[in-house]
Amino acid sequence: EAQVTQNPRYLITVTGKKLTVTCSQNMNHEYMSWYRQDPGLGLRQIYYSMNVEVTDKGDVPEGYKVSRKEKRNFPLILESPSPNQTSLYFCASSGEGRQEQFFGPGTRLTVL
Amino acid sequence: QKEVEQDPGPLSVPEGAIVSLNCTYSNSAFQYFMWYRQYSRKGPELLMYTYSSGNKEDGRFTAQVDKSSKYISLFIRDSQPSDSATYLCAMPRDNYGQNFVFGPGTRLSVLP
Repeated sequence: EAQVTQNPRYLITVTGKKLTVTCSQNMNHEYMSWYRQDPGLGLRQIYYSMNVEVTDKGDVPEGYKVSRKEKRNFPLILESPSPNQTSLYFCASSGEGRQEQFFGPGTRLTVL
Repeated sequence: QKEVEQDPGPLSVPEGAIVSLNCTYSNSAFQYFMWYRQYSRKGPELLMYTYSSGNKEDGRFTAQVDKSSKYISLFIRDSQPSDSATYLCAMPRDNYGQNFVFGPGTRLSVLP
């Protein structure tokens, strides 16, 4: 089944404790993105990647890191999480030349 | 002025009604326009996309773009309770189409 998977689905952590949210797609897509979704603000792009080792900042990259060492994986790293990073996070992927993004199921992160 | 604006709703309609969902945008350079549907506790899924002014129809759904007014609409005919979801408009900012901006979404409830 073609899909985007994210882990963990739910995470509660404390301020300053480094964490990684993994994202993997099995569709051989070139493009991948991370978004956060907050009430009233909608989906905002954090980072996106056009291919392996190629990443670029979205609208809200502060406090986040990403890496794209393999085509299928695009982890999101929070080196020192803060409460304002409490949010619902989505990973998405799309194929070359395609506008359609396939989204993962989301990761709900709470930073205390 | 925000790049993309949407009435957040909630919008409640009876089953069978025609629903009109709208977005306005400020950047006249936007070329592609997408509508995503997001069910509660799920990731968004693409409903329709278009890159020209005018109408595009797919079953009960019609996407309409008016570039001169910077206004896009999604019409749902014969609405069903299963259409109850949040509807997000989205546009890529650049020609590569991977730096996306989303509207905040309109929550729709179709009552049986």
